[in-house]
Amino acid sequence: GEDVEQSLFLSVREGDSSVINCTYTDSSSTYLYWYKQEPGAGLQLLTYIFSNMDMKQDQRLTVLLNKKDKHLSLRIADTQTGDSAIYFCATRRNSGNTPLVFGKGTRLSVIA
Amino acid sequence: DAGVIQSPRHEVTEMGQEVTLRCKPISGHNSLFWYRQTMMRGLELLIYFNNNVPIDDSGMPEDRFSAKMPNASFSTLKIQPSEPRDSAVYFCASRALSGQGQSPLHFGNGTRLTVT
Repeated sequence: GEDVEQSLFLSVREGDSSVINCTYTDSSSTYLYWYKQEPGAGLQLLTYIFSNMDMKQDQRLTVLLNKKDKHLSLRIADTQTGDSAIYFCATRRNSGNTPLVFGKGTRLSVIA
Repeated sequence: DAGVIQSPRHEVTEMGQEVTLRCKPISGHNSLFWYRQTMMRGLELLIYFNNNVPIDDSGMPEDRFSAKMPNASFSTLKIQPSEPRDSAVYFCASRALSGQGQSPLHFGNGTRLTVT
């Protein structure tokens, strides 16, 4: 089955850029997502990208997709303390209503 | 839009007791998912429903776990009898079924279950 891998921890200084990386195994993954989980809350969709794109930018967020290497990254520019959270990468095939496959999440700590 | 509503937010129970977790999906969403989150295993899909019908329950750990969706606006996840290793945060999520995959998955705030 599909496997999605992420590093577990990332620590950055306030104002720097954060880059969270994700690799996946299923080359049929059509939709790739980034979710954010703040303490005590559920996961919130941050952004997503289709597999026919290689980049998507949304304000401070930039998603890069390398389909050949099955590598997805999320860059957060000018990281703020409010960005401290767990970030989940998830993938999905475009075949019916197949569930998302989530990575274990990367805990981002922002140091003031 | 109230979002996905789960209850209770916290549940503390003794081993052997029955536990029922509840979920109200977003109105109009016809696909519902139950996940379990632990530090060790991350986010695990337990079961999901399309149009109130269970599609895949292969993630349900044991026969002690059962889930129902009697109508489009309500689902339950029951653990009977509960065990300490069931302690986790249980999330419900919903989305609208569509031919396009970008219909996003919306999560509730979860139920934190502690079994002593």
